[in-house]
Amino acid sequence: GAVVSQHPSRVICKSGTSVKIECRSLDFQATTMFWYRQFPKQSLMLMATSNEGSKATYEQGVEKDKFLINHASLTLSTLTVTSAHPEDSSFYICSARDEPTLGSYEQYFGPGTRLTVT
Amino acid sequence: AQKVTQAQTEISVVEKEDVTLDCVYETRDTTYYLFWYKQPPSGELVFLIRRNSFDEQNEISGRYSWNFQKSTSSFNFTITASQVVDSAVYFCALSEAWENTDKLIFGTGTRLQVFP
Repeated sequence: GAVVSQHPSRVICKSGTSVKIECRSLDFQATTMFWYRQFPKQSLMLMATSNEGSKATYEQGVEKDKFLINHASLTLSTLTVTSAHPEDSSFYICSARDEPTLGSYEQYFGPGTRLTVT
Repeated sequence: AQKVTQAQTEISVVEKEDVTLDCVYETRDTTYYLFWYKQPPSGELVFLIRRNSFDEQNEISGRYSWNFQKSTSSFNFTITASQVVDSAVYFCALSEAWENTDKLIFGTGTRLQVFP
């Protein structure tokens, strides 16, 4: 099946710094990618939908200026956590969709990035 | 509004027991998709099944089976003869076609522990 990679897999940063997480579709082109956040022992919450060449669509309650998403190519979307704080510590998971036709898509998930802000 | 409920937070069984994970969903759409994912301790989501709202046939794949009942808005997942490797968190998810985004709404997950 299709493969989605994320980099880095783990990152520790200091409060106030920014962190960039990459999501790549390795063997297919993804017009749409999704970013999820998962707190310990909780469910995955969709943060935003990233569309290649256009602005991301953020879910209610997600700060656009805090979580910058860039989907500059059909195989790469990036999530930048700006001015990170300890409460941003979480597991961030991306997924990529390989079929533009509604109903016939398959979403492939990356392995996740564990962010710890100290 | 769309919602997925997994009422069982944690289930513990002994190896070889059968176990059923419940999933109840709410949606305003007539066309939707239901999913089950497995998340082992490593964190990576493993896709198990996708079912569209027009296909109510039950499905069996090895030790896994799914029971989709539109009348009760349920999409339950049964593992037969459970094994220690089945220990993981299992998520049920819903996607509505009408929103044109295919975004997934996840349930809160059920943590399954299978003891030897």
